Parts: sequence; structure tokens; C-alpha cells
Amino acid sequence: AQTVTQSQPEMSVQEAETVTLSCTYDTSESDYYLFWYKQPPSRQMILVIRQEAYKQQNATENRFSVNFQKAAKSFSLKISDSQLGDAAMYFCAYYGANSKLTFGKGITLSVRP
Amino acid sequence: ETGVTQTPRHLVMGMTNKKSLKCEQHLGHNAMYWYKQSAKKPLELMFVYNFKEQTENNSVPSRFSPECPNSSHLFLHLHTLQPEDSALYLCASSQEAAGGLLNEQFFGPGTRLTVL
Repeated sequence: AQTVTQSQPEMSVQEAETVTLSCTYDTSESDYYLFWYKQPPSRQMILVIRQEAYKQQNATENRFSVNFQKAAKSFSLKISDSQLGDAAMYFCAYYGANSKLTFGKGITLSVRP
Repeated sequence: ETGVTQTPRHLVMGMTNKKSLKCEQHLGHNAMYWYKQSAKKPLELMFVYNFKEQTENNSVPSRFSPECPNSSHLFLHLHTLQPEDSALYLCASSQEAAGGLLNEQFFGPGTRLTVL
């Protein structure tokens, strides 16, 4: 079975600075998808960014980018120019052949003004 | 209403009560999901409905009973719950296509359930 590990429970970043959230996963599959979801306090979980494993190019969405290292099974999220609205829980998730999303425990990101 | 809605947003119930959680999606999707989110634990997939048919039941206790009357509505019926069932229950939907093409899951705001 696949597992997703987010080893850091909390992180803090200064507004306008850059922060990287780490995620590792374990799988024997070669084709899969990876996601980062954001869950603001008392608000809905939304998709931040996705990466297809067959694509070598790292995905980017405005201030959000990933560092996808397939051999190392690592999928970190970089948030540039952090804003107060980026404060939330961030979940890394894996989607594979079993057609199910497997989530990590999440990391709470706080942004200092 | 747009997206995925859930009612109620908060629910407190005793162990002998029977209650239901409701989820509605306004996105025209054909798959719906129930997840359980407990503190300091990964989200746990509970049930999956694809084209109104239940395709997944992750060994969920029978005190949780799902119902999907149509592709837009999903219910989670609760009875004789335990305090450890207290959690945030999230509903999600997606458009599942043939050929394994993956589409994003859209989440509702959740129902915060407290079992006394």
C-alpha cells in the first residue's frame, strides 16, 4: 500500500519570504499523481497544485511550485513571496492505480506579518 | 449554491442518537466521497460512490451508513456512534472519466461532529 509522509507538523514563515514544505511517499507504481491541497482555518480544502509522475518538468502555479524527485520519492512544495492568506494546513496526497487519494498527516503553516 | 455543500456544519450528538449528514454537489460530477479527518491523522477515505454505485468501503464500522440517491446527493447516516468518531467529516466530488483520466476532487466545508 502507498504511504505519504509529512514529517513536519508545523512551519512558520515571514511574510514575503519563501518556504518549502516537504513530503515523501512510498510506492512501487510508476504512473501516479501527486497533489498538494490547502485547508484554510474553517474553510474548504482546495487543490493547490498537481504533478503527473510521467512528467519530468516540475509543476508551477503562480507563487507555488513543486520539486518532484521521482527516484527519491520526494514531492516538496515551495511557496514564494508568502502572504498572510497562505496560512493554512497543507496536505500532500498520492493517487495511484487503486484510484484513491492517500493523504499525509498535513502541516500547519503560519505566516508572520 | 456552487461547488460542494455540506449540512449541518456542526453537529453534537449522544451515543444513542441517530443523525444524518448531507452533501450536495452542484458541479455535475459523477463520483462522490466521504472522508474522515481526525486531528493529527491523515484523511481517511470512508466511502466512494461512482455513478451512484458504491465502489469502495474502507472497512468502515456499520454504525456509519452511506446513501447516494442520485449523482448530486450523498448522505451519511449515523447511529450509536462512539466518542472516538468525533471528527470533521468531509464530502468530495469529482468527474471520473473512462481511461483512468484523473480529475480533481472538490471538497465541501465539512461537518464537525462531536459525539458525547
